[in-house]
Amino acid sequence: DTAVSQTPKYLVTQMGNDKSIKCEQNLGHDTMYWYKQDSKKFLKIMFSYNNKELIINETVPNRFSPKSPDKAHLNLHINSLELGDSAVYFCASSQETGGNQPQHFGDGTRLSIL
Amino acid sequence: QKEVEQNSGPLSVPEGAIASLNCTYSDRVSQSFFWYRQYSGKSPELIMSIYSNGDKEDGRFTAQLNKASQYVSLLIRDSQPSDSATYLCAAPRRGATNKLIFGTGTLLAVQP
Repeated sequence: DTAVSQTPKYLVTQMGNDKSIKCEQNLGHDTMYWYKQDSKKFLKIMFSYNNKELIINETVPNRFSPKSPDKAHLNLHINSLELGDSAVYFCASSQETGGNQPQHFGDGTRLSIL
Repeated sequence: QKEVEQNSGPLSVPEGAIASLNCTYSDRVSQSFFWYRQYSGKSPELIMSIYSNGDKEDGRFTAQLNKASQYVSLLIRDSQPSDSATYLCAAPRRGATNKLIFGTGTLLAVQP
């Protein structure tokens, strides 16, 4: 059973399009995250939700909008995609918020903007 | 100073040797530290957590924490080519919203 699953695994699209990435966790965790990993492999947090509530919103362009319909799901919608959005996006979850609990990652969504 | 700092490598060790990966962190009150392994094209995978000063062993892996020096390390004994990956250190940062900060990772290459 996959603990944190993301779809799609690959996303290739044109500049200016709108796309969504979905994430689900079956670990019973309260907190979910979106990370961006760029070409230099730096893993940077974008958003965090605790039990459907937004608790971390880093300096991310407002073209990125997360949505958490319930604590097991966290989706990411991106409007007007730009070349610089090309990266790997990882969803993760942890039992609690606060950074003192280990986080478990999904397999990632590789986004390529043409 | 970066919040979590690692040497990017590559760190090259021969098969069977001990690989030593190091990490320093800036938040003195951090309580929890994590080591993740990331193979090329894959997601980060948790391999060790450490919460207290001293050593914690799990199979071929030993994590070492020194809070006074703000230093955490990972030793891999009897290194295997399958250990070749990027190793990410992570530590929490307290602030308005607490979060986990990742280092940039150290690339380990184990030579057969």
